[in-house]
Amino acid sequence: EVHMLESGGGLVQPGGSLRLSCLGSGFTFNNYAMNWVRQAPGKGLEWISSITGSGDRTFYADSVKGRFTISRDNSMNTLYLQMNSLRAEDTAEYLCAKGQSSSDYSASDYWGQGTLVTVSS
Amino acid sequence: DIVMTQSPDSLAVFLGERATINCKSSQSVLHSSNNKNYLAWYQQKPGQPPKLLIYGASTRESGVPDRFGGSGSGTNFTLTISSLQAEDVAVYYCQQHFSVPFTFGPGTKVDIK
Repeated sequence: EVHMLESGGGLVQPGGSLRLSCLGSGFTFNNYAMNWVRQAPGKGLEWISSITGSGDRTFYADSVKGRFTISRDNSMNTLYLQMNSLRAEDTAEYLCAKGQSSSDYSASDYWGQGTLVTVSS
Repeated sequence: DIVMTQSPDSLAVFLGERATINCKSSQSVLHSSNNKNYLAWYQQKPGQPPKLLIYGASTRESGVPDRFGGSGSGTNFTLTISSLQAEDVAVYYCQQHFSVPFTFGPGTKVDIK
């Protein structure tokens, strides 16, 4: 059974940093692109970043470009999101999602439950 | 960036009746090389992550009931729930994965009338 488990969220002050992790299981991790999507409280879904199966290509939304870095360790079946220079508007549930293929241009077929990031002083 | 819009914002339908949600993209999401629409539909129930319902605009994900159907091409798409069930109460999102950023629509809330 495919499963994704996010961790690393929490309360951080503006300007601070956090690293989120997403452990994938039940599938051949390096065969699939992975995505980070966030959802602010009571709001809709916002795609923020994707990475190919091999990790050779990464993509970012303008809202996080230059502040967030997506990466993966295929030997550990783990996806990461390094978040720096955090702002209040980054407060959201962060969900990792598995792509349908190794290509970055695919829909997301399995999602984790999310990890909550709160940016506040 | 491709802007995704959805209509209506919300709708209430009697059990067993049809629900129709529209999604429009500001640019075509039809890839000329493979004639596929890079358009997906997701269902999100309260307190749960999204669930993929439809991809390629019209292909139902494995395990999704056949009362869910997707149609459309290019810039105009529709998600239809042919006979609304109580468990279909949720917010429905479309997403284009044709070009970065992979934008979502604002969502349509579906309730029982």
